[in-house]
Amino acid sequence: DTGVSQDPRHKITKRGQNVTFRCDPISEHNRLYWYRQTLGQGPEFLTYFQNEAQLEKSRLLSDRFSAERPKGSFSTLEIQRTEQGDSAMYLCASSLVQGHQETQYFGPGTRLLVL
Amino acid sequence: SQKIEQNSEALNIQEGKTATLTCNYTNYSPAYLQWYRQDPGRGPVFLLLIRENEKEKRKERLKVTFDTTLKQSLFHITASQPADSATYLCALDNDYKLSFGAGTTVTVRA
Repeated sequence: DTGVSQDPRHKITKRGQNVTFRCDPISEHNRLYWYRQTLGQGPEFLTYFQNEAQLEKSRLLSDRFSAERPKGSFSTLEIQRTEQGDSAMYLCASSLVQGHQETQYFGPGTRLLVL
Repeated sequence: SQKIEQNSEALNIQEGKTATLTCNYTNYSPAYLQWYRQDPGRGPVFLLLIRENEKEKRKERLKVTFDTTLKQSLFHITASQPADSATYLCALDNDYKLSFGAGTTVTVRA
């Protein structure tokens, strides 16, 4: 399977714990995005990378959230001191920028439940 | 403020009929607009992209229109099948990142 993969698919944690999610993009894609989706809503942008550079972060991304993309390949999203409000589906997407048009391909998501 | 609105009600239709979904937006100037399908518990799957200078795009039983004057896109599923049952998301280009509507849930009855 050459699509976007995410790990783990599900994560249950207690409030105050740290969690880390991983995303492996489609291999030739240079952009990688993280989104968050809550029930009944569309995905909301969190941050994105062009190769290894983090180019933009949403105001939704508090100081407890950090993302990395070392060597411009896979990416990790870490949430420190989780809160119940962090419970959501975390989606990763990747794209190959061609001019000013790109299609983002999404992974299956990591569903986080904070107890 | 920026807003993307999709059909507020879920759509229930009979197999074989055409489903028409709307996406209206305010305070955006997207260079392109995309439609995605999302099944419960899964990530969105790309369906179609339409550019601002295109009026209509088709792919198999799917058709998308884009009216930048009305700030609206319509998404049609013709000859609908039970397998088309899913949530459909409209997404606007917003300086490369995507801004999504809340989605419209379509149920096709056999």
